[in-house]
Amino acid sequence: EVQLVESGGGLVSPGGSLRLSCAASGFTFSRHSMTWVRQAPGKGLEWVSIMNDAADVTFYADSVKGRFTISRDNSKNTVYLQMNSLRVEDTARYYCAKADMPGPARPLDYWGQGALVTVSS
Amino acid sequence: DIQLTQSPSFLSASVGDRVTITCRASQGISSYLAWYQQKPGKAPKLLIYAASTLQSGVPSRFSGSGSGTEFTLTISSLQPEDFATYYCQRLNDYPRTFGQGTKLEIK
Repeated sequence: EVQLVESGGGLVSPGGSLRLSCAASGFTFSRHSMTWVRQAPGKGLEWVSIMNDAADVTFYADSVKGRFTISRDNSKNTVYLQMNSLRVEDTARYYCAKADMPGPARPLDYWGQGALVTVSS
Repeated sequence: DIQLTQSPSFLSASVGDRVTITCRASQGISSYLAWYQQKPGKAPKLLIYAASTLQSGVPSRFSGSGSGTEFTLTISSLQPEDFATYYCQRLNDYPRTFGQGTKLEIK
């Protein structure tokens, strides 16, 4: 059974940092790109970042570029999102999700339950 | 960046109705489009990808069509469990933008 479990969320002050983790199991982690998607309270889905299977290609939404860094450790079946210089508008539930199969332009077939990040003074 | 605009943003319908949700891209994206369903407090669920391919395990009352800039998600006969919010997402290039969502409510 595929499982994605996010951790590391919490309350942080504006300008602060937080690192989210997403532990994966039930599939060959090293063969799938991994994505972070966020959802502000009562709002829609916002794509945040993706890292390919080999951990050598990354892309970011303009809203987080230069502040967030995605990484992964294929030996630990875990993907991370390092969030720096956090803003109030980064408050959201952050989901990690896996591509359904190797290759480009793949949809997200499994999602975690999300980690809540609240940025407030 | 390519924008995705869903219509309508809100839809009220009854069990048994046929409903259609549209997703328009600001530029052509071939068939690189997915549809997701999200229920309150839950993670999104993949319904359709490549514009018209039904994800395994998804009921056949869901269907997708379109290519280029205009896409549709159709539910042929609404069931009580279908009342949720639906999102489209482009899958070509980056950012992998989502539409703003369509909330389907019970009439």
